[in-house]
Amino acid sequence: EAQVTQNPRYLITVTGKKLTVTCSQNMNHEYMSWYRQDPGLGLRQIYYSMNVEVTDKGDVPEGYKVSRKEKRNFPLILESPSPNQTSLYFCASLQGETQYFGPGTRLLVL
Amino acid sequence: GENVEQHPSTLSVQEGDSAVIKCTYSDSASNYFPWYKQELGKRPQLIIDIRSNVGEKKDQRIAVTLNKTAKHFSLHITETQPEDSAVYFCAASPRINMNRDDKIIFGKGTRLHILP
Repeated sequence: EAQVTQNPRYLITVTGKKLTVTCSQNMNHEYMSWYRQDPGLGLRQIYYSMNVEVTDKGDVPEGYKVSRKEKRNFPLILESPSPNQTSLYFCASLQGETQYFGPGTRLLVL
Repeated sequence: GENVEQHPSTLSVQEGDSAVIKCTYSDSASNYFPWYKQELGKRPQLIIDIRSNVGEKKDQRIAVTLNKTAKHFSLHITETQPEDSAVYFCAASPRINMNRDDKIIFGKGTRLHILP
């Protein structure tokens, strides 16, 4: 079954404690992306990657890092999380023009 | 860069009536405009899209129109049903082929309530 998976789905952490949210797709898509969703602000792109070892900043990249060492995985790294990074995060991969979103990761930073 | 404005932020319509959600964009290079539906607690899912070489596209009860001159596009849902209740997002992208160095910019969303 074609899908995008994210882990963990829910995470509570404390300020400054490094964390990684994993994203994996099994559709051999080249383009992958991370979004955060906040009430009243919609979906905002954090980082995207057009292929292995190619990543670019989206609209809100501050405080985040990504890597794309292999095609199927695109982890999101928060080196020193802060409360303003509390949000719902979606990973997505793209085939043609259609984006397939993962199930989301709800992150709470205390 | 691209900026996408979406209105209204909340919309309530009687079941069976039509709903219209409007978006405007700023970058004249944008040429691909998808719409996503996000049900409560679920992920966004593509429901319809339109490219700049087309003025209107229809899929059953859903239609999208595009006015490139005015830089706006709209989602029309006819004969609304309870299952249409969701948040709808418009988006704009400057490339048809996303294998280029381009972002996709979303509107802030419209929460649609279908009233019984």
